[in-house]
Amino acid sequence: DSGVTQTPKHLITATGQRVTLRCSPRSGDLSVYWYQQSLDQGLQFLIQYYNGEERAKGNILERFSAQQFPDLHSELNLSSLELGDSALYFCASSGGSRGSNEQFFGPGTRLTVL
Amino acid sequence: GQNIDQPTEMTATEGAIVQINCTYQTSGFNGLFWYQQHAGEAPTFLSYNVLDGLEEKGRFSSFLSRSKGYSYLLLKELQMKDSASYLCAVRDLGTGFQKLVFGTGTRLLVSP
Repeated sequence: DSGVTQTPKHLITATGQRVTLRCSPRSGDLSVYWYQQSLDQGLQFLIQYYNGEERAKGNILERFSAQQFPDLHSELNLSSLELGDSALYFCASSGGSRGSNEQFFGPGTRLTVL
Repeated sequence: GQNIDQPTEMTATEGAIVQINCTYQTSGFNGLFWYQQHAGEAPTFLSYNVLDGLEEKGRFSSFLSRSKGYSYLLLKELQMKDSASYLCAVRDLGTGFQKLVFGTGTRLLVSP
């Protein structure tokens, strides 16, 4: 158990809908990262937050947005969902923006768009 | 930009040694990580290299050559439970903040 929690574990929805994925980092970790993992692609970095502020952006679509709240939990919002958005979404946390060497991954949310 | 290459699949026998290679190109290199990922599960941290040389951790070792943009993960005394994907990731500080860029992973199948 990495100490990072994600809810829900599974999500099934229809095209055009909007969903929210939630992540709670390890106790004391200030940085939260979101990744997308599709079958035909590796782990793709989406976005990083550090202590409530956006710090780095990867291949995140405009239909996707995220935020980190004062209690350090984070939410990833996916809107106007398409079939191709079906993937595993992982959240990871680490000790600081340049600090801890490793990122600890949550169990992931499997999103299926029908 | 970043580019990370590793073999797609490898097979090995229980008890053997296997070496998984990773080559990378990145503008702001600040460390290389290896993660293990079983199907449908979260990646788990295996090793971290930021200086040239070999880091040993039990049955797993990782090597880095920054001048060659090259790393390998060495797994000894293979066990069936080592069947998994192994992800090479480079930390890139090009944007000023750490960002991990992952390779597509090497799927290792260990047979009896």
